[in-house]
Amino acid sequence: GNSVTQMEGPVTLSEEAFLTINCTYTATGYPSLFWYVQYPGEGLQLLLKATKADDKGSNKGFEATYRKETTSFHLEKGSVQVSDSAVYFCALSIQGAQKLVFGQGTRLTINP
Amino acid sequence: DTEVTQTPKHLVMGMTNKKSLKCEQHMGHRAMYWYKQKAKKPPELMFVYSYEKLSINESVPSRFSPECPNSSLLNLHLHALQPEDSALYLCASSRDSRRGASVDTQYFGPGTRLTVL
Repeated sequence: GNSVTQMEGPVTLSEEAFLTINCTYTATGYPSLFWYVQYPGEGLQLLLKATKADDKGSNKGFEATYRKETTSFHLEKGSVQVSDSAVYFCALSIQGAQKLVFGQGTRLTINP
Repeated sequence: DTEVTQTPKHLVMGMTNKKSLKCEQHMGHRAMYWYKQKAKKPPELMFVYSYEKLSINESVPSRFSPECPNSSLLNLHLHALQPEDSALYLCASSRDSRRGASVDTQYFGPGTRLTVL
C-alpha cells in the first residue's frame, strides 16, 4: 500500500539553526510528493511539491528533493525563524487516486 | 489566487441541532474534498466530489451529509452529531481529480472548528 513516515517530533530549535525533517514513503506507482504546513489554529498551506524523481521543490527558504532511490523527500531550511513554528505534514498522491496520504506530522518549535 | 474559503470559522452545536458547513472556491477547480482533523493528527479524508458528483465516501456516518450545489460550492450538513465529532473540518479543492488524470495539488481552506456539546 501507500504510506508516508515522518520523523517523530516535537522538534525544538533555536532561531537561525539548520532544519531537517525526514520523510520517507512507500508507494505503488509514481507518486507526487508534497509538504504542507499548518500554523496554530489554521488550515493546511501547501509549502512545496515535487512531481517526479530528482525534482526539487522550494518555497520561503524551504527545500525538498524527490529521491526515488531512497524513497525520501526530506524538508530542509538553512536558517529557521520563530515564525516557522508550525506542524509540517509530508504527503503523497498517486495519479488517478484522488487521495492524499499524509504522514503523522512533525511539530516544530523555534525559540528566539 | 489559491484561496478556499470556509464558513463559519467556529461552530458550537448540541447533539440535536442541524447545522451546515460551507466551502467556496473560485479557482475553476472541479474536485472538492471534505476532511476531518483531530488534534495532533493528520487530516482524514471524508468525501470527494468530482465534477459535482460524489466519487468517494470514506464510510462516513450518515449524520454527515455532503452536498455540491455547483462547481464552486461544497456544503457539509450536520445532524445528530456526537461529542466525538468535535474536530477541525477542512475543505480542499483541486483542478481535476478524475481517474487517470495527472496528480493535482490540493489547496485547503482555513477550516471550521466544530464543538459538539
